[in-house]
Amino acid sequence: AAGVIQSPRHLIKEKRETATLKCYPIPRHDTVYWYQQGPGQDPQFLISFYEKMQSDKGSIPDRFSAQQFSDYHSELNMSSLELGDSALYFCASSTTPLAGGPGELFFGEGSRLTVL
Amino acid sequence: AQTVTQSQPEMSVQEAETVTLSCTYDTSESDYYLFWYKQPPSRQMILVIRQEAYKQQNATENRFSVNFQKAAKSFSLKISDSQLGDAAMYFCAYRSLNDKIIFGKGTRLHILP
Repeated sequence: AAGVIQSPRHLIKEKRETATLKCYPIPRHDTVYWYQQGPGQDPQFLISFYEKMQSDKGSIPDRFSAQQFSDYHSELNMSSLELGDSALYFCASSTTPLAGGPGELFFGEGSRLTVL
Repeated sequence: AQTVTQSQPEMSVQEAETVTLSCTYDTSESDYYLFWYKQPPSRQMILVIRQEAYKQQNATENRFSVNFQKAAKSFSLKISDSQLGDAAMYFCAYRSLNDKIIFGKGTRLHILP
């Protein structure tokens, strides 16, 4: 079965540079979530999209932005990178529980960003 | 706001033994989902088990089962016949309907051969 695809898997950037992460959700999933997981930390919610519209926003820095495109893939754009942005970035997708979906989020393998 | 608490940062269990990981949560909602996710060294987030709050019966998936106490807002995970491959970080997670997942801080499980 198709899973959530994230690219790139690894990314190394210098401070103050810009990075873009991509996420391709499972087909027919209507919601995409972005999480940031620092070393030894639990995943922190950044932002979500439902049917290509932003549906919720968490602890996402103003330097970060995201969008979901007409083909449902999503991109997380990070500018003016800081050392503290080094983390594993997860994308997850799901169907809406209210629509009878199973409820869980399906996670991609993550994109590891290292800022030097 | 909902919160998820895992009071055990680390646990160890002998191979083939049984271990229980604790999780409590706080919510004012009556309908929601609870999950246990496993994160092995590969860092992939893998769903272990899911519980719908409206179901009184505890979920079971092979060697994994939960003890869901809705009134006490408790959701523990029992792993029977522990195997070396069970070594991982385990996250308890809460999701209200149509909303994001909130994770606990995690419990690192070590399996002793």
